[in-house]
Amino acid sequence: DAGVTQSPTHLIKTRGQQVTLRCSPKSGHDTVSWYQQALGQGPQFIFQYYEEEERQRGNFPDRFSGHQFPNYSSELNVNALLLGDSALYLCASSLSPLYEQYFGPGTRLTVT
Amino acid sequence: AQSVAQPEDQVNVAEGNPLTVKCTYSVSGNPYLFWYVQYPNRGLQFLLKYITGDNLVKGSYGFEAEFNKSQTSFHLKKPSALVSDSALYFCAVRDYPAGNTPLVFGKGTRLSVIA
Repeated sequence: DAGVTQSPTHLIKTRGQQVTLRCSPKSGHDTVSWYQQALGQGPQFIFQYYEEEERQRGNFPDRFSGHQFPNYSSELNVNALLLGDSALYLCASSLSPLYEQYFGPGTRLTVT
Repeated sequence: AQSVAQPEDQVNVAEGNPLTVKCTYSVSGNPYLFWYVQYPNRGLQFLLKYITGDNLVKGSYGFEAEFNKSQTSFHLKKPSALVSDSALYFCAVRDYPAGNTPLVFGKGTRLSVIA
């Protein structure tokens, strides 16, 4: 049984560019949440998708957007990248919005 | 709004000794509490959770956590530490059953187990 998978593993972008990160949830899970983990910090909640809709959103600007597909996989898009967007981006899935979350290995984004 | 505090950035313990990683929380309703562990260049692994019931919760890899409502704490414990337990530990909380509130994490505590 595959756990949560994320792609790519690492990514280097330039300021002002756009990036798309991808996540496939654990089998049987229908809810996907995205987190940003800056160096030396705990994960910060970006948003959560359930039934292909954004259900909750953390304190992140509109440059951060997402999507959930009918197969429950999800994308995180970040526009107009800033140096401060450099972080580990974690995807987590759960059986429903109220259940415990299982995390993927993350995508390390570096903005230069 | 909910919040989590992990007062220690680093905890050092000798192999074979008991370990404790501290966590205190704040929620407006009842807490739904979690511990996760993160190894280098890896995502977070779920260790254990508390919703209701016994104050002592047992989890993966011999870890347990004690819920104390009066002290608003949820400390992670293990009777005998292993070198392989060295990692970054995160406590997290959400309101329960206040609806679909986001999971809020502490800043993490780095555990170092010395042989």
